[in-house]
Amino acid sequence: NAGVTQTPKFQVLKTGQSMTLQCAQDMNHNSMYWYRQDPGMGLRLIYYSASEGTTDKGEVPNGYNVSRLNKREFSLRLESAAPSQTSVYFCASRVESRTYGYTFGSGTRLTVV
Amino acid sequence: GESVGLHLPTLSVQEGDNSIINCAYSNSASDYFIWYKQESGKGPQFIIDIRSNMDKRQGQRVTVLLNKTVKHLSLQIAATQPGDSAVYFCAEGGKTDSWGKLQFGAGTQVVVTP
Repeated sequence: NAGVTQTPKFQVLKTGQSMTLQCAQDMNHNSMYWYRQDPGMGLRLIYYSASEGTTDKGEVPNGYNVSRLNKREFSLRLESAAPSQTSVYFCASRVESRTYGYTFGSGTRLTVV
Repeated sequence: GESVGLHLPTLSVQEGDNSIINCAYSNSASDYFIWYKQESGKGPQFIIDIRSNMDKRQGQRVTVLLNKTVKHLSLQIAATQPGDSAVYFCAEGGKTDSWGKLQFGAGTQVVVTP
């Protein structure tokens, strides 16, 4: 099915461990985004990539790195996980046009203990 | 999904009634507004959008109203159904932002009762 695919769906990490969240879209979208969702705070932008080969910081980039591997894939890496990074992470993509509408993945629920 | 639970405002609606979900946005320069629906355990889904040069836009069973004077956005759902139970987010996008970054509200939990 066309859309945005995120893996894994669930993950538990110990403080200090590292991991990479994967995201892939098959809609030929140029722009991709990583958001985190915390209770009562809505979605906050971590990093985004306007096109293949470019990445930029969003509102809450500290503790994260990203890689736009190709047009389809945009990964998010936690180098040294902290309990404050416990959250649900969403990847989204958008076709470059006049519309701002995103297509979201189904999310990765990450718990750092 | 469940991560936006306890601290969200909740709207309880009887099946068949109309729902009105409100949102106050912050940036008077925003020129694009979107409503998303998020069901439990899923990612947000696009419902309807509106540009700042419009006051009203209608979709299938949904209407979005924009009042720029007071920076207020609302989503009306006609004949609310059990499948409408979800968290609803408004989002705003800025005219100066060519990369499409959106600012999201915290959301409203809609609960449809039989």
